[in-house]
Amino acid sequence: DVKVTQSSRYLVKRTGEKVFLECVQDMDHENMFWYRQDPGLGLRLIYFSYDVKMKEKGDIPEGYSVSREKKERFSLILESASTNQTSMYLCATDPGDSRYEQYFGPGTRLTVT
Amino acid sequence: AQSVTQPDIHITVSEGASLELRCNYSYGATPYLFWYVQSPGQGLQLLLKYFSGDTLVQGIKGFEAEFKRSQSSFNLRKPSVHWSDAAEYFCAVRGYQKVTFGTGTKLQVIP
Repeated sequence: DVKVTQSSRYLVKRTGEKVFLECVQDMDHENMFWYRQDPGLGLRLIYFSYDVKMKEKGDIPEGYSVSREKKERFSLILESASTNQTSMYLCATDPGDSRYEQYFGPGTRLTVT
Repeated sequence: AQSVTQPDIHITVSEGASLELRCNYSYGATPYLFWYVQSPGQGLQLLLKYFSGDTLVQGIKGFEAEFKRSQSSFNLRKPSVHWSDAAEYFCAVRGYQKVTFGTGTKLQVIP
């Protein structure tokens, strides 16, 4: 079974803080993704990575950056957290073949106060 | 650009009744289509997927979906809903690298 773990289930940060969300997968998947999930908006892609040190912007990259130094780990960074970044963040992976589904972590609910 | 529309934000059905959740997609080539389910406090889990072949696909938990190219639809069905099916359901279309999700349909099951 693919296992995707996220560093925290719940996180509370203050406005202006630098925030790191980490995602680790154990199945040697090529692709990793970060989404944010908001009520009524579904999942929106922030960034994805198809290889180590490679990254691509998704649909809503503003205010975020990412890092992928090792294949199994993909970090999402909020350089200066703002209240409008309060959301559920979901990490996902897939093996790089479009026929295959994505595997999701349990999510991190981030609250910025 | 690819897109997915789930027109129903919230659906309520009685336990034992049939269910159909609607999904319409937009994609230039043959789509890879997915349905995921998210139980409260959980990540998303795959229910079923379509990428070629038979247009009626079977999934887990008794769900099925039918791909209709002429209608650009991929509706999810279940003949008899169980209380444990209460969750949020997401339809998704996969392009070359990116997956685009619909806004989700929240299913409530009443006794």
